[in-house]
Amino acid sequence: DGGITQSPKYLFRKEGQNVTLSCEQNLNHDAMYWYRQDPGQGLRLIYYSQIVNDFQKGDIAEGYSVSREKKESFPLTVTSAQKNPTAFYLCASSMNHGLGGANVLTFGAGSRLTVL
Amino acid sequence: RKEVEQDPGPFNVPEGATVAFNCTYSNSASQSFFWYRQDCRKEPKLLMSVYSSGNEDGRFTAQLNRASQYISLLIRDSKLSDSATYLCVVPRNTGKLIFGQGTTLQVKP
Repeated sequence: DGGITQSPKYLFRKEGQNVTLSCEQNLNHDAMYWYRQDPGQGLRLIYYSQIVNDFQKGDIAEGYSVSREKKESFPLTVTSAQKNPTAFYLCASSMNHGLGGANVLTFGAGSRLTVL
Repeated sequence: RKEVEQDPGPFNVPEGATVAFNCTYSNSASQSFFWYRQDCRKEPKLLMSVYSSGNEDGRFTAQLNRASQYISLLIRDSKLSDSATYLCVVPRNTGKLIFGQGTTLQVKP
């Protein structure tokens, strides 16, 4: 079955440590996204990528980094520079990044990061 | 004013009731908008798209009012399984998607 796989599902980290969240999709989607969700808030865009070896900052990119070396993979690194990293992280993909119906997002199950 | 605003609720309704949510937006000339459903501690999943002509899928009806800049979601004959958070999604003119904070629905027996 096609879909998006995120790992790990739960992650605990000490302050000052970097952590990398994995996101893999086998939907043959061109675009991939990382969102962050905090309690009582909507999803906020961290980074997105429309094509391999290219990515753009979203609305809250500070303290995060990404890479897109393969179409299927879009890992997110939460660095020690991120001031408040405890959150629910969601990876998504879509056929393209334009306006219109083709921009429907498919989400992974999410990774819940807690900084101790 | 936020780009996308939703009443967070919760909306508590009995089974069988009809319930409606609105979502107001600004700065979007998109032709289509979206409603996603998110269960507790799960990922959002597409419920339905919303076009200028509206959209109906079984018990769910979505409407777009471009003049007043809001989209609506109507649920008829509510089921216990409809309990969830409903997120409205508005494409920016750049193509990025802006998510509302969600409206929580609790359907009671």
